[in-house]
Amino acid sequence: DVQVVDSGGDLVQPGGSLRLSCAASGSHFSSYAMTWVRQAPGKGLEWVAGITGSGDHTYYAESVKGRFIISRDSSTAALEMNGLGAEDTAIYYCARSSGTYLSGYTWFDSWGQGTPVTVAS
Amino acid sequence: QSVLTQPPSVSGAPGQRVTISCTGSGSIIGTDYHVHWYQQIPGTAPRLLISGNNNRRSGVPDRFSGSKSGTSASLAITGLQAEDEADYYCQSYDSRLSVVLFGGGTRLTVL
Repeated sequence: DVQVVDSGGDLVQPGGSLRLSCAASGSHFSSYAMTWVRQAPGKGLEWVAGITGSGDHTYYAESVKGRFIISRDSSTAALEMNGLGAEDTAIYYCARSSGTYLSGYTWFDSWGQGTPVTVAS
Repeated sequence: QSVLTQPPSVSGAPGQRVTISCTGSGSIIGTDYHVHWYQQIPGTAPRLLISGNNNRRSGVPDRFSGSKSGTSASLAITGLQAEDEADYYCQSYDSRLSVVLFGGGTRLTVL
């Protein structure tokens, strides 16, 4: 099975920035799109951003567009988060994506353990 | 607004069968797009159960099955076991907004 490891979560002040990282074991990393999904305390899952295997195309939820940037290299994916607010407090999961990204045939077959982000003063 | 609606909670006794519905609105589910299902045991990461409406992931017991009809999808769990107690999420896509959608989640309680 593929192992996804996400990291970088921390306590950050409102208006601050943070960078999350994600690595997936196994070969063919660049063959898969990667996605970030978050879960606020006591809430459900929210898709945040995704990037195709080639890195040529990126996609964002409206709630983070213009503040978050997703990127990748040959072995890791990252989520740069800027202008953080209390509403961004959540556990952030990195997930490997299967199927055509981004489309009605996209799903998430391997998930990281999650990294917590807390925005508070 | 794009929404995938799930019941907040379902319950059943060990050995029973339960179903969890997932209903789409707008430009969701009522197309050829697929619905996928995830299980999340509290305090852990979600894991894929069903992809492409009805394809069980390798290692997932055949007690779990998915289906889709029209603008709704369902996850059925037969022969309920205590270990099935978890939150379940459906997932699809809104072509109008180009975003992935998750249902609000359903908490399954095994009585």
